[in-house]
Amino acid sequence: KQEVTQIPAALSVPEGENLVLNCSFTDSAIYNLQWFRQDPGKGLTSLLLIQSSQREQTSGRLNASLDKSSGRSTLYIAASQPGDSATYLCAVYEVALANAGGTSYGKLTFGQGTILTVHP
Amino acid sequence: EADIYQTPRYLVIGTGKKITLECSQTMGHDKMYWYQQDPGMELHLIHYSYGVNSTEKGDLSSESTVSRIRTEHFPLTLESARPSHTSQYLCASSPGRWDYGYTFGSGTRLTVV
Repeated sequence: KQEVTQIPAALSVPEGENLVLNCSFTDSAIYNLQWFRQDPGKGLTSLLLIQSSQREQTSGRLNASLDKSSGRSTLYIAASQPGDSATYLCAVYEVALANAGGTSYGKLTFGQGTILTVHP
Repeated sequence: EADIYQTPRYLVIGTGKKITLECSQTMGHDKMYWYQQDPGMELHLIHYSYGVNSTEKGDLSSESTVSRIRTEHFPLTLESARPSHTSQYLCASSPGRWDYGYTFGSGTRLTVV
């Protein structure tokens, strides 16, 4: 069974700092990995999607890397801002077998998230 | 603009009531999902659909039911709400290809009193 772990669970930094969020997964047979942002009481906003064949993806101040063989991904946030404060979730996409009938289905497994606070 | 919509955004309802949480997407995605998230906890898949008239249960057992009569619509129903159903429910969709990511709605926060 796939398990996704995110470290640290919470992080508080002053504005302007560069920071790294970590994600690890136990089964490397994934198709892709997606980083999301969730504001309190809200839905999920997709930040970056990395295919299993890719090493990294960049969007603005965000850079995500993937080392599939070691089961790790990092999200790098440059020059953090108070508006970056949110919970960051990583999720891995894999193909699993359904219990009945033996048919397969795509499955997204989430980590517990890292709560980021950037203070002015 | 293509998007995924959930209504209502917040719902407070009494025990025993029947409720339906709505989810619609305008992206033409074949696959749709319902996730349940308790405060401060992980998201867990409770239902998914790979197309019209296709529905399956996810990893987390749920007393809710779903239907997929139209591609764009994937409602979730609780026949008799209980306080244990209090949670946030998130709907998502993805295209047929596995190398595209998921798009999530804003969620419905359900409180059963």
